[in-house]
Amino acid sequence: EAGVAQSPRYKIIEKRQSVAFWCNPISGHATLYWYQQILGQGPKLLIQFQNNGVVDDSQLPKDRFSAERLKGVDSTLKIQPAKLEDSAVYLCASRGGNEQFFGPGTRLTVL
Amino acid sequence: DQQVKQNSPSLSVQEGRISILNCDYTNSMFDYFLWYKKYPAEGPTFLISISSIKDKNEDGRFTVFLNKSAKHLSLHIVPSQPGDSAVYFCAASEGGSNYKLTFGKGTLLTVNP
Repeated sequence: EAGVAQSPRYKIIEKRQSVAFWCNPISGHATLYWYQQILGQGPKLLIQFQNNGVVDDSQLPKDRFSAERLKGVDSTLKIQPAKLEDSAVYLCASRGGNEQFFGPGTRLTVL
Repeated sequence: DQQVKQNSPSLSVQEGRISILNCDYTNSMFDYFLWYKKYPAEGPTFLISISSIKDKNEDGRFTVFLNKSAKHLSLHIVPSQPGDSAVYFCAASEGGSNYKLTFGKGTLLTVNP
């Protein structure tokens, strides 16, 4: 069974630029999550989708972050404009049963 | 306010000995707890979980203990192996259909040969 796929793996941008991350969950998983993991911290939930609907986006900085999952499968997370404090690993996960399966993450560096 | 706390940033043990990783939580609504293991440049991988109706769950070399009155859980690895060296995250969920996870900051375990 293929795992959660994410791209790109690494991204370096300058502040005020925009960036987008892509996630393909495990086939058949209806629930998809985006997490932000800042160095030295645990993953923090940004947004949760159930199929193509948003379940929880209470911790998503909506002035600069947006996410979509139009067809209920792949998802994209966008940051526009990026700030220095957005430097982090962005993890995508999908849920099967009680377990969340994580992708390898995208490491974003904002200069 | 951190609801899940892992107060030891790092732990070093000898191969073959027991590793004990600790986790405390403050939210009494948490009813499902998980441990994830993370290697560098990889995403976290699920290790073991426990429901609040139990006080112990065992899977091979890994055992998780839950003390609800103390709001404390621990992960025991016996015997520890060099391949266990990784960051271990404790996570908790309030259950329901959302399964929203709140993570601790992680503990770096180093198992020395």
